[in-house]
Amino acid sequence: SQKIEQNSEALNIQEGKTATLTCNYTNYSPAYLQWYRQDPGRGPVFLLLIRENEKEKRKERLKVTFDTTLKQSLFHITASQPADSATYLCAPGRYGNKLVFGAGTILRVKS
Amino acid sequence: ETGVTQTPRHLVMGMTNKKSLKCEQHLGHNAMYWYKQSAKKPLELMFVYNFKEQTENNSVPSRFSPECPNSSHLFLHLHTLQPEDSALYLCASSQEWTARGEQFFGPGTRLTVL
Repeated sequence: SQKIEQNSEALNIQEGKTATLTCNYTNYSPAYLQWYRQDPGRGPVFLLLIRENEKEKRKERLKVTFDTTLKQSLFHITASQPADSATYLCAPGRYGNKLVFGAGTILRVKS
Repeated sequence: ETGVTQTPRHLVMGMTNKKSLKCEQHLGHNAMYWYKQSAKKPLELMFVYNFKEQTENNSVPSRFSPECPNSSHLFLHLHTLQPEDSALYLCASSQEWTARGEQFFGPGTRLTVL
């Protein structure tokens, strides 16, 4: 069955550094991959969507890559700030099909 | 009100109670979803409604009963729940139900079953 893997360990980084989060998937060939941010006790908030024919997508300090050969997406936050601390969820999906969410990675940015 | 709203935000119920969760979206979307989120687990999709028709039921126990009277409202009726059903229940909506549709989530209902 399809499997979505995100770093189970929290990622702790210093303010100003680049945070890199990983999303790996197996037994799955998604056409789209979405990234969401979730703060404690709140619903996820959409950040970016990347398509299988796009290698990279950027939005302000955020960058997402999508490597269908490696079956992996990387999510980067440059010049990270304490306000970026949250859980980040990846969600791949196929054409005409639902999203499947990963368990998320906790990011902690320390000042 | 804008976005997706959910009520109540917190709910404590006994195993024999009957309660309902309500979700309303003000975005003009066609698809609505119920998800369950337990600690340190991925979001579990429970139900999907597209244009008021249920398109997905992920083997959810019958003690959870969804209702979608129109494309703006979604309910989750609860009865005879178990303690393991305690979780954050999230409602979401999107313009289209497929994977290219960005989903907008409500704040969730924190449910505790005693």
